[in-house]
Amino acid sequence: DAGVIQSPRHEVTEMGQEVTLRCKPISGHDYLFWYRQTMMRGLELLIYFNNNVPIDDSGMPEDRFSAKMPNASFSTLKIQPSEPRDSAVYFCASRNRRGARGEQFFGPGTRLTVL
Amino acid sequence: AQSVTQLDSQVPVFEEAPVELRCNYSSSVSVYLFWYVQYPNQGLQLLLKYLSGSTLVKGINGFEAEFNKSQTSFHLRKPSVHISDTAEYFCAVSGSGGGADGLTFGKGTHLIIQP
Repeated sequence: DAGVIQSPRHEVTEMGQEVTLRCKPISGHDYLFWYRQTMMRGLELLIYFNNNVPIDDSGMPEDRFSAKMPNASFSTLKIQPSEPRDSAVYFCASRNRRGARGEQFFGPGTRLTVL
Repeated sequence: AQSVTQLDSQVPVFEEAPVELRCNYSSSVSVYLFWYVQYPNQGLQLLLKYLSGSTLVKGINGFEAEFNKSQTSFHLRKPSVHISDTAEYFCAVSGSGGGADGLTFGKGTHLIIQP
């Protein structure tokens, strides 16, 4: 299996621009999670989906952030407009309910820099 | 709600010496516990997990951890470290209920192996 795939790996943009991060979960996994990692706040759960439906978005910081999962093999996290404080590494993770309980498989992350 | 405290942000250890990375958690419900490792510029990889049963769990790369319910701890240990163990280590918790909760992470411990 190819594992969780994220793109792009690095993104540099200017304040005010729209940013879209992409994630392809492991085939057959029915849960997908988005996390953000910063020096100040560590790893934070932003949102997660079950069978393409958002279950808990309480970690999404502001209305500028939105996430979608149009099908089982693709999800996006969008920031519009972006701000310098959004600079972070964004991780996508997936898991299968039938697999090891609780275990999540992480992608390599997208390092976002907003200038 | 759950929380995780990793008491040491950085732990320097000489090569071939033993190491213990400390983790304490707080939760009002039963939990699953995890240790993840993050190598530079990479995603998170699962080291080991506690779901139920034996309180001593063994993981990859010679690591083990012991679940102590009375002390709400899940400390990670390795009897002899190698240079390649230099990385960031994260303790995480999730609820053990029926849903697939997101993970709550500690702030991480940077393990520095000195030759």
